[in-house]
Amino acid sequence: DGGITQSPKYLFRKEGQNVTLSCEQNLNHDAMYWYRQDPGQGLRLIYYSQIVNDFQKGDIAEGYSVSREKKESFPLTVTSAQKNPTAFYLCASSLRLAGEYSYNEQFFGPGTRLTVL
Amino acid sequence: QKEVEQNSGPLSVPEGAIASLNCTYSDRGSQSFFWYRQYSGKSPELIMFIYSNGDKEDGRFTAQLNKASQYVSLLIRDSQPSDSATYLCAVNGQDDSWGKFQFGAGTQVVVTP
Repeated sequence: DGGITQSPKYLFRKEGQNVTLSCEQNLNHDAMYWYRQDPGQGLRLIYYSQIVNDFQKGDIAEGYSVSREKKESFPLTVTSAQKNPTAFYLCASSLRLAGEYSYNEQFFGPGTRLTVL
Repeated sequence: QKEVEQNSGPLSVPEGAIASLNCTYSDRGSQSFFWYRQYSGKSPELIMFIYSNGDKEDGRFTAQLNKASQYVSLLIRDSQPSDSATYLCAVNGQDDSWGKFQFGAGTQVVVTP
């Protein structure tokens, strides 16, 4: 089955601790994204990567870091610098097509719910 | 700041009726638009995307786009209890922001039997 997997499903973090959220896709998609969702709010972009070994900051990158060493993997680290990390984290991917009809539909993984203790 | 606005709801719809959801966006140059459905506690799933002015139909769903007025809407015909969810509107950026989606906060739909 092709798809996007995220692990763990639930994660608990202590104050001052760094944690890493996993995102893997076997869809052969070029681009991958990390979003954060808080209750009653839309999705906010943390980081995105359109090609291996390259990534860009989104709207709320402070306190987060990423890497893109392989096409299928885009892990997100929530550092101790992120003061309010409790949220639902969603990873997405898309097939970046060249040309006029590249609509870049994004498909989401199941999410990781992070709670700070 | 590029914005995508949706009514938060809840939008209460009798079973079998039509649910009408609206979304406005601020970036006039946006080219492609997406509707996602999100059940409580789950991740968003893509319902439809649209890029040309007019209507696009897929089963019980119809997306409507009016670029001049900068709004996109979603109609759900013959609403079912399983349609109860939050519907997110997303707009693709352009130029340097291509691939960066801006999401609205979502409209909660409740279909009542």
